[in-house]
Amino acid sequence: EAQVTQNPRYLITVTGKKLTVTCSQNMNHEYMSWYRQDPGLGLRQIYYSMNVEVTDKGDVPEGYKVSRKEKRNFPLILESPSPNQTSLYFCASSNSNYGYTFGSGTRLTVV
Amino acid sequence: TQLLEQSPQFLSIQEGENLTVYCNSSSVFSSLQWYRQEPGEGPVLLVTVVTGGEVKKLKRLTFQFGDARKDSSLHITAAQPGDTGLYLCAGARGSARQLTFGSGTQLTVLP
Repeated sequence: EAQVTQNPRYLITVTGKKLTVTCSQNMNHEYMSWYRQDPGLGLRQIYYSMNVEVTDKGDVPEGYKVSRKEKRNFPLILESPSPNQTSLYFCASSNSNYGYTFGSGTRLTVV
Repeated sequence: TQLLEQSPQFLSIQEGENLTVYCNSSSVFSSLQWYRQEPGEGPVLLVTVVTGGEVKKLKRLTFQFGDARKDSSLHITAAQPGDTGLYLCAGARGSARQLTFGSGTQLTVLP
């Protein structure tokens, strides 16, 4: 089944403790992206990647890092999480100009 | 700055009624996508419109892209409880994979 898989689905952590949210797609898509979703603010792009080793900032990149060493994986790294990064995170991939496939989301709480 | 304004933000209707959701911007988009999101899941692509004035139909859903490619609408005929969800529009600028999302319309269809 064609899909984007994120892990974990739920995560509670403490301020300052580094964490990684993994994202993997099995559709051989070139383009991958991370979004965060907050009430009243919609989906905002954090980082995106056009292909292996090619990444760029989205609209809200502060406090996040990404890497794209392989085509299928696009992990999101929070080096020192803070409470304002509590959010619902989505990874998505695309191989065309006409639509994304999204993962099921990761709900992160930073206390 | 919210580039895409969706209205209404919330909509609660009875089964069988018709409704229209609007997505407006002052920016021109190369394409516009509509997604539906259910609780606990990622958005799922419904349709992409590319050409100004384009109309696409998906069963009881009709999507229209404005002539100037700045706005779009989603019309649902004879709404059913299964249509309940968060409807998101997303516009592509420049690279068609860099999407800007609207804040969404939460639709509830009551049986």
